[in-house]
Amino acid sequence: DTEVTQTPKHLVMGMTNKKSLKCEQHMGHRAMYWYKQKAKKPPELMFVYSYEKLSINESVPSRFSPECPNSSLLNLHLHALQPEDSALYLCASRGLAGTGELFFGEGSRLTVL
Amino acid sequence: DAKTTQPPSMDCAEGRAANLPCNHSTISGNEYVYWYRQIHSQGPQYIIHGLKNNETNEMASLIITEDRKSSTLILPHATLRDTAVYYCIVRPFSGGYQKVTFGTGTKLQVIP
Repeated sequence: DTEVTQTPKHLVMGMTNKKSLKCEQHMGHRAMYWYKQKAKKPPELMFVYSYEKLSINESVPSRFSPECPNSSLLNLHLHALQPEDSALYLCASRGLAGTGELFFGEGSRLTVL
Repeated sequence: DAKTTQPPSMDCAEGRAANLPCNHSTISGNEYVYWYRQIHSQGPQYIIHGLKNNETNEMASLIITEDRKSSTLILPHATLRDTAVYYCIVRPFSGGYQKVTFGTGTKLQVIP
């Protein structure tokens, strides 16, 4: 299984809502990433987890709250978002051996009204 | 991570080789060159990587100059399905929590 699965594929939420994005992989990868991608722009790194611990936070606003409950699962909790937070949110994982490539999910497209 | 520079867009005729350049003049000795592509609205996909030798796999070839300051990704027989944004990334091979940052990439348009 070389897949990274992201749910939901599409999410529409209001600025006062609380929602979560989920990412799952069963490749035994111990590094997991969240990226945000706006239209016609490259993916922008948000968070990196290594061995279920937050290793990198790229100065992301606190309305985005990541969580890594176990080695297969990565969540991104969303609260009080702004319309400019509307974007494609990509999850990726990477093994710490092998080719070192990132495996990406198909993304969750978020619209904030 | 070293910075990379890529042309914003390129066209290639279907069936011809697509040669995508990347400049990484500040690359360090322990940094590899990775290539990914992103087809519209999908997650990026790994293509190939290398350190200093040329590499080939079923998708593409990677040519790295001797001074390692630039590289070229070659798609030998481009098809319409190769239309995508191609990203060149430079980073160390290993490391548990390293950043992987994307540059602006090259939008390749394969023309029938």
